[in-house]
Amino acid sequence: QLQLKESGPGLLKPSETLSLTCSVSGGSITSSSSYWDWIRQSPGKGLEWIGSIYYTGKTYYNSSLKSRVTISIDTSKNHFSLNVNSVTAADTALYFCTRRARGNSDSFDIWGQGTMVTVSS
Amino acid sequence: DIQMTQSPFSLSAFVGDRVTITCRPSRTISSYVNWYQQKPGKAPKLLIYGASSLQSGVPSRFSGSGSGTDFTLTISSLQPEDFATYYCQQSHGAPLTFGQGTKVEIK
Repeated sequence: QLQLKESGPGLLKPSETLSLTCSVSGGSITSSSSYWDWIRQSPGKGLEWIGSIYYTGKTYYNSSLKSRVTISIDTSKNHFSLNVNSVTAADTALYFCTRRARGNSDSFDIWGQGTMVTVSS
Repeated sequence: DIQMTQSPFSLSAFVGDRVTITCRPSRTISSYVNWYQQKPGKAPKLLIYGASSLQSGVPSRFSGSGSGTDFTLTISSLQPEDFATYYCQQSHGAPLTFGQGTKVEIK
């Protein structure tokens, strides 16, 4: 059974870089039927798609964050990562990693438990 | 970007009631709509994909319908465990976007 788990610092200062990792277990990150995505949820903006990566390394980003976001993948460790640079209080949110199933209307069918990131001086 | 507008914002219902939530995208998106349920402190859970396909393991009282610019999630007989927030999401094009959510509360 595929499971995802986020890890990373929960508290950052403004201008620092947010770095999160999503560990994938119970399946391979090189599955051709999967995209690996990051989504965040804050009270002010609801659920916001950040971007995704395919096992080949091809990335897709939300243009609202694109200039600050990098998503990468490490197939040898079966994990993928999110970096957001120059964070502000607006980046305070619950961050989820997800599997997006190709073919099933590209739906987010597997979610990590989420990790809270707070940006505060 | 495709904006997803859900209605109502919230609703109160009794156990056993039939509940309907609507989602309208800002432009036509064929059947590329998915529905999720989220309980407090938990990740969203996929209920319906492709507008009307029931995700494995989801009770049959949940159903979805619609295409183009008008989509509906229906709970045929509301159960105590169904009190949660529901979101629609479009997968027609990037950026992938969600509705603002509909909170279903106990009456």
